[in-house]
Amino acid sequence: DGGITQSPKYLFRKEGQNVTLSCEQNLNHDAMYWYRQDPGQGLRLIYYSQIVNDFQKGDIAEGYSVSREKKESFPLTVTSAQKNPTAFYLCASSSGQGRVDEQYFGPGTRLTVT
Amino acid sequence: GENVEQHPSTLSVQEGDSAVIKCTYSDSASNYFPWYKQELGKRPQLIIDIRSNVGEKKDQRIAVTLNKTAKHFSLHITETQPEDSAVYFCAGGTSYGKLTFGQGTILTVHP
Repeated sequence: DGGITQSPKYLFRKEGQNVTLSCEQNLNHDAMYWYRQDPGQGLRLIYYSQIVNDFQKGDIAEGYSVSREKKESFPLTVTSAQKNPTAFYLCASSSGQGRVDEQYFGPGTRLTVT
Repeated sequence: GENVEQHPSTLSVQEGDSAVIKCTYSDSASNYFPWYKQELGKRPQLIIDIRSNVGEKKDQRIAVTLNKTAKHFSLHITETQPEDSAVYFCAGGTSYGKLTFGQGTILTVHP
């Protein structure tokens, strides 16, 4: 399963701590996305980036931050302001370039905050 | 923004039967409709997609139909097998690159 990777697979943090989730892709894709998955709620978009040094808020951006300094990398920081951070986080990428296309997903990071 | 509704939330069939999952979307600008399959603990993977200039697409036992006028699209799986058991997500996307996902359907195929 090359292409898009996320680390770590499981992450445990105490309430009040910021935590950064890693996402890397070697598909030469311009666009990258972060989703949150909760049981029964599908995939909800947190942030997305169509090009390096640019990103936009998705539907549930509050309490999260991102950066896109390199084409290959799109890290997500879950801040202490996120009221319910325990969830499964999925990163995805697509070719972008002004076209909507298949999104390729990473294996996900399961974050537990206690 | 786009809103995608997916039904049913759970679907149980006998092996060999057909399964149909339906989605509706709200944004008439949506022009790309993928379907993803997610097995337990795994990443979602694309199984079939359709663009708005096509009404139907088929790939072996899987087919997708699109009705742009009514703003709905459906996934059809024929001759279901136990390995088809998973969560299926529909999505709608526009040229801006964003996808909006439905809530998912848990499909269980009983041997």
